[in-house]
Amino acid sequence: GENVEQHPSTLSVQEGDSAVIKCTYSDSASNYFPWYKQELGKRPQLIIDIRSNVGEKKDQRIAVTLNKTAKHFSLHITETQPEDSAVYFCAAGPLGKLQFGAGTQVVVTP
Amino acid sequence: NAGVTQTPKFRVLKTGQSMTLLCAQDMNHEYMYWYRQDPGMGLRLIHYSVGEGTTAKGEVPDGYNVSRLKKQNFLLGLESAAPSQTSVYFCASSRGLPTYEQYFGPGTRLTVT
Repeated sequence: GENVEQHPSTLSVQEGDSAVIKCTYSDSASNYFPWYKQELGKRPQLIIDIRSNVGEKKDQRIAVTLNKTAKHFSLHITETQPEDSAVYFCAAGPLGKLQFGAGTQVVVTP
Repeated sequence: NAGVTQTPKFRVLKTGQSMTLLCAQDMNHEYMYWYRQDPGMGLRLIHYSVGEGTTAKGEVPDGYNVSRLKKQNFLLGLESAAPSQTSVYFCASSRGLPTYEQYFGPGTRLTVT
């Protein structure tokens, strides 16, 4: 089955700096790679996703890159703001069977 | 639209008791999922369903059963609760191909003593 590793487990950044979170996966059959943001006590919410036929996707301050050969994908947040503070989860898998990483606690300090 | 809803929001059980968690969605989604979330471990898939009347095992199915008798509902049952099942349980749904996005419910916090 799929195994997803996520690094770092915690990330502290100054407001305005960039944040990068990296994930690796093991199953070559994985074709969908979403990123979820979860604020304390809330449900996970999708912030961006990418499919295996695309190498990069951007949505305002958030971007995701995928390297299928190396089996890794990354989340990039630019110009971080205090409201970006949350736990971020990567996931990988085919439709219906996502495997999630353990999460990254991001703290943006003013 | 309410999206994905879960009942109850909180529950405390004694070891050996049983209970059912209810997930409902009003988006006419084909796929539904049950996850558990434990500190430092992300979300782990318990069971999922690709359509009414179907269910399949996920990563951590032991100790749980599910049923999808109606398209809009997905029930998660614990027949004999154990302290190791103390967790936050999230239900999610997705439309199915070609859309992959999963929408999560608000979660149920379960404590087994």
